[in-house]
Amino acid sequence: KQEVTQIPAALSVPEGENLVLNCSFTDSAIYNLQWFRQDPGKGLTSLLLIQSSQREQTSGRLNASLDKSSGRSTLYIAASQPGDSATYLCAADSGGYQKVTFGIGTKLQVIP
Amino acid sequence: EPEVTQTPSHQVTQMGQEVILRCVPISNHLYFYWYRQILGQKVEFLVSFYNNEISEKSEIFDDQFSVERPDGSNFTLKIRSTKLEDSAMYFCASSGDRRREQYFGPGTRLTVT
Repeated sequence: KQEVTQIPAALSVPEGENLVLNCSFTDSAIYNLQWFRQDPGKGLTSLLLIQSSQREQTSGRLNASLDKSSGRSTLYIAASQPGDSATYLCAADSGGYQKVTFGIGTKLQVIP
Repeated sequence: EPEVTQTPSHQVTQMGQEVILRCVPISNHLYFYWYRQILGQKVEFLVSFYNNEISEKSEIFDDQFSVERPDGSNFTLKIRSTKLEDSAMYFCASSGDRRREQYFGPGTRLTVT
C-alpha cells in the first residue's frame, strides 16, 4: 500500500526566499507524481506533473524533481511571494486499488 | 480556460438521506474521478471512471456509493444513505489521458447532521 509523506508540515519564510518542499513515497512503482496547490476552503490546482520516466519538470518559478529509486520528490519555489502562501500537496499515482495517494501537505506562509 | 465545475458548493443533509453530487468535467476528457477530504485530513481517492464503467475504486467506495455519467457532460456521485462520517469536501477531477494531469473542481462541502 502506497504511503506518501510530506515534510515539513508547515513552513514560514520571508518574501524572496528560495525554498524546498519534500515528498516521499514508499512504493517506487509509480506512473507519475503530481504537485498541487490548495488554498483554504478551495479545490486543488495542478502545478506540475512528473511522469515516471522523467526526472524533473519546470513551470515558471517552480521546479519539481523525481527520484523514483529513493522514493522522493521535491518542489522548489524560487523567489517566494506572499501569493505563494497555500498548502502544497503531492500525489503519487501507483495504479492498482489505491489509484492516487496524497500526502497531508505542507502549509506554506510567505511573509511580506 | 476549461475547468471542472461542481454543484452544489455546499450540501446539508440529514443522516440516512440520499445525496447526489454533480460534476461537469472538462469536455474532451475521458477519465473521471471522485475524491474526498475530511476536514484536516488527507485527500482520499474514491473512484475512477472510464468508458462508462468504474476502473478503480478504494475501500471507502462501498455499496453506499455509486457513480454515473447520465449524459455526455455530467458525472455524478450518489451516496444512498448518508452517515455522519460522510461529512467532507468531495472533489471531482478529470484528465484527458491515463498518465496526464488531473484537473480538480472546486469541491462540494457535504455536511451530514
